[in-house]
Amino acid sequence: DVKVTQSSRYLVKRTGEKVFLECVQDMDHENMFWYRQDPGLGLRLIYFSYDVKMKEKGDIPEGYSVSREKKERFSLILESASTNQTSMYLCASSLAYGGSYEQYFGPGTRLTVT
Amino acid sequence: AQRVTQPEKLLSVFKGAPVELKCNYSYSGSPELFWYVQYSRQRLQLLLRHISRESIKGFTADLNKGETSFHLKKPFAQEEDSAMYYCALSPNDYKLSFGAGTTVTVRA
Repeated sequence: DVKVTQSSRYLVKRTGEKVFLECVQDMDHENMFWYRQDPGLGLRLIYFSYDVKMKEKGDIPEGYSVSREKKERFSLILESASTNQTSMYLCASSLAYGGSYEQYFGPGTRLTVT
Repeated sequence: AQRVTQPEKLLSVFKGAPVELKCNYSYSGSPELFWYVQYSRQRLQLLLRHISRESIKGFTADLNKGETSFHLKKPFAQEEDSAMYYCALSPNDYKLSFGAGTTVTVRA
């Protein structure tokens, strides 16, 4: 059973703080993703990683950075949190071969920036 | 760039009635299409993909390339079908583009 875990379910931070969101998967997946989920906007891709130390910008990378030092771990970093980054953040992973594009999602981190 | 449109934000049906969730996409090639579902207090999960041509939990979805649509259907809705449903498209590069989602409520 694929397991994607995220470090926190709820997080409250102040404007200007540096925020780290951690994601770990235990299925040896090559691909990992960070999305934000907002009502009326669906899921929007922030960053994508297809291998250790490799990353690719998604649709809304501004204000975010990522780190992937180990295959199983993908971190999302908000360098200086702002109120418009208040959202639900979802991590996902998938295989990088076989043509199966199914993504497995974590439970989400609800971040509130005050 | 690809785009996925789900025109209905909210859909309310009675138990036992048919339900159809609309999904339209724009993409010039041959994409992979998916439906993902998120039940209350659960994580987002794959419901079905067009390439498998499968029926999951009584749901089916047909890809209509002429109309660029991938509507999700179930002939008899159940209360446990109440959830948020997302249509998603992959241009075969492992990334997904999601629609805005449709919240389905099945009333007894």
